[in-house]
Amino acid sequence: DTAVSQTPKYLVTQMGNDKSIKCEQNLGHDTMYWYKQDSKKFLKIMFSYNNKELIINETVPNRFSPKSPDKAHLNLHINSLELGDSAVYFCASSQPQLGEYKFFGPGTRLTVL
Amino acid sequence: AQKITQTQPGMFVQEKEAVTLDCTYDTSDPSYGLFWYKQPSSGEMIFLIYQGSYDQQNATEGRYSLNFQKARKSANLVISASQLGDSAMYFCAMREFHSGAGSYQLTFGKGTKLSVIP
Repeated sequence: DTAVSQTPKYLVTQMGNDKSIKCEQNLGHDTMYWYKQDSKKFLKIMFSYNNKELIINETVPNRFSPKSPDKAHLNLHINSLELGDSAVYFCASSQPQLGEYKFFGPGTRLTVL
Repeated sequence: AQKITQTQPGMFVQEKEAVTLDCTYDTSDPSYGLFWYKQPSSGEMIFLIYQGSYDQQNATEGRYSLNFQKARKSANLVISASQLGDSAMYFCAMREFHSGAGSYQLTFGKGTKLSVIP
């Protein structure tokens, strides 16, 4: 069974469109995250959700909004897509009380044309 | 200031040889954790090894070991007996308490691209 899954794996879209990336974890973890990996491979945290509550919101544009319908899901909505949004987006989950490492999803490669 | 520094953008190693990937960190949190992840060309992030700041012994996981030197604030990854499948990007990361958010945050270094030569 996949621990953290993301859909879609690839997303190609035009500038100005609105898109969503879905993330689900079946580990029962309390905390989920979204990371962005840019073209230089640098990974930076975007959001962190703990029990459906936003606890870290790095300085990302408000065009990006995380939505958590329940503890197992953390979806990323992006409005008015820009060329600079092209990147790989990783979802991750963790439960520090049980283990010190994060499980990452397979990533979603977003290309904005 | 960078919290995690990986000074080697790229490294080459001969197959079956050992290789050390450098990582230094900066934190004022006394309770922190250090991680290494592998990212092959397929793109997924694979957890390799973890070291807690209070752990007395260096962490080991199979062919991976973490050379933890607390006073020097370094957490180098050692891969023994390199294999062709070890060719990938390797990221060092640190978990520390984020007082503003009241929770832990993971910060990544810029990565080292390892190439194993047959």
